[in-house]
Amino acid sequence: KAGVTQTPRYLIKTRGQQVTLSCSPISGHRSVSWYQQTPGQGLQFLFEYFSETQRNKGNFPGRFSGRQFSNSRSEMNVSTLELGDSALYLCASSDRSRSYNSPLHFGNGTRLTVT
Amino acid sequence: GEDVEQSLFLSVREGDSSVINCTYTDSSSTYLYWYKQEPGAGLQLLTYIFSNMDMKQDQRLTVLLNKKDKHLSLRIADTQTGDSAIYFCAERGGGGADGLTFGKGTHLIIQP
Repeated sequence: KAGVTQTPRYLIKTRGQQVTLSCSPISGHRSVSWYQQTPGQGLQFLFEYFSETQRNKGNFPGRFSGRQFSNSRSEMNVSTLELGDSALYLCASSDRSRSYNSPLHFGNGTRLTVT
Repeated sequence: GEDVEQSLFLSVREGDSSVINCTYTDSSSTYLYWYKQEPGAGLQLLTYIFSNMDMKQDQRLTVLLNKKDKHLSLRIADTQTGDSAIYFCAERGGGGADGLTFGKGTHLIIQP
């Protein structure tokens, strides 16, 4: 099976712009989660989607949003970018339909740089 | 809130065993995970353990869980240069909300 695919791998944006990141989960996985990784804060949970519904949300401002499509692919959007949004954004999928605690499988991430 | 603590660095000689330690605070944790991150890559799931187990072995990897002390460890036998990476401990709370809580990661440095 192909792993979790994230596009693009790298992005450079300017403050105030918005950005959309894409994630294709492992085939058959219906749960997609997003995490932000920075040197200072480490890995932080953004949100989780299952069957097109947001199930859990981390402690991030409303500028961070996401959605999931009927084919389980997910996108996350960050509006009004700030310098502090520069980070590696990681997407993970899991087979939550099989077990609530199925482990997360991560993609290679999208490196976002805000200038 | 929930917290996961790890040492930042561990240096071992090639061929020796590496033991990476982790402590967590959430007593309702159900599953605990170990992930590996190599430069420029995402997180690779290494292994995970359910909270009612105290040990799990998978080839060169051994996970030990002391639930009373909320202490988790990952032992890598016969450490190789390819094991050089950052290792993250993570826990999923009993409620399942808020996703996984990760430690800051332990940089494993292999000496020849």
